[in-house]
Amino acid sequence: DAKTTQPTSMDCAEGRAANLPCNHSTISGNEYVYWYRQIHSQGPQYIIHGLKNNETNEMASLIITEDRKSSTLILPHATLRDTAVYYCIVRGSGETSGSRLTFGEGTQLTVNP
Amino acid sequence: DTEVTQTPKHLVMGMTNKKSLKCEQHMGHRAMYWYKQKAKKPPELMFVYSYEKLSINESVPSRFSPECPNSSLLNLHLHALQPEDSALYLCASSHEKRFRDDSPLHFGNGTRLTVT
Repeated sequence: DAKTTQPTSMDCAEGRAANLPCNHSTISGNEYVYWYRQIHSQGPQYIIHGLKNNETNEMASLIITEDRKSSTLILPHATLRDTAVYYCIVRGSGETSGSRLTFGEGTQLTVNP
Repeated sequence: DTEVTQTPKHLVMGMTNKKSLKCEQHMGHRAMYWYKQKAKKPPELMFVYSYEKLSINESVPSRFSPECPNSSLLNLHLHALQPEDSALYLCASSHEKRFRDDSPLHFGNGTRLTVT
């Protein structure tokens, strides 16, 4: 699976959009980009995923560049409850690599009042 | 709230004890996973079950013994653990790859294990 690079930490003001970047320059054509977050003392929470097109759900939007080498997770109106570690994960296809979800170090997002 | 339920939430055990962690899901998922997470580190994959059969073992020591008695349940049997095995143990489930290629994993909130 392709490796991802994320900033170690970011800050965001409450009510503003939080834009979390992720680089995955070695991504291959059949690999998906997933975003999870983990609030302290809880399990990772699935946010969104995509292959090529931009995606939006009730939690966030995922913008994937045309060359697929990077992506951005957007939380449109951040709240204090969005403070968490955010993981960008590239997951392969196939029965073996596709069955693995390998976490990197993630980005600690702190939403400030 | 999570649709993957793990029990117990906390567990303290001695190095000579035998204990089990339990995980349950009722989403019809046929792939189930155990992850281990040390403090301030990302989760690390331990085991993957696919249709109740062990498909991935990430070279986990034999003192950890997984079991998948049916499609809704996943156990992790613990025996002769070491203090360095203290961690948050996370269970997850998803649709199996052959059923849906991009099915996300859904995680429980984990069992926090302390080995004394």
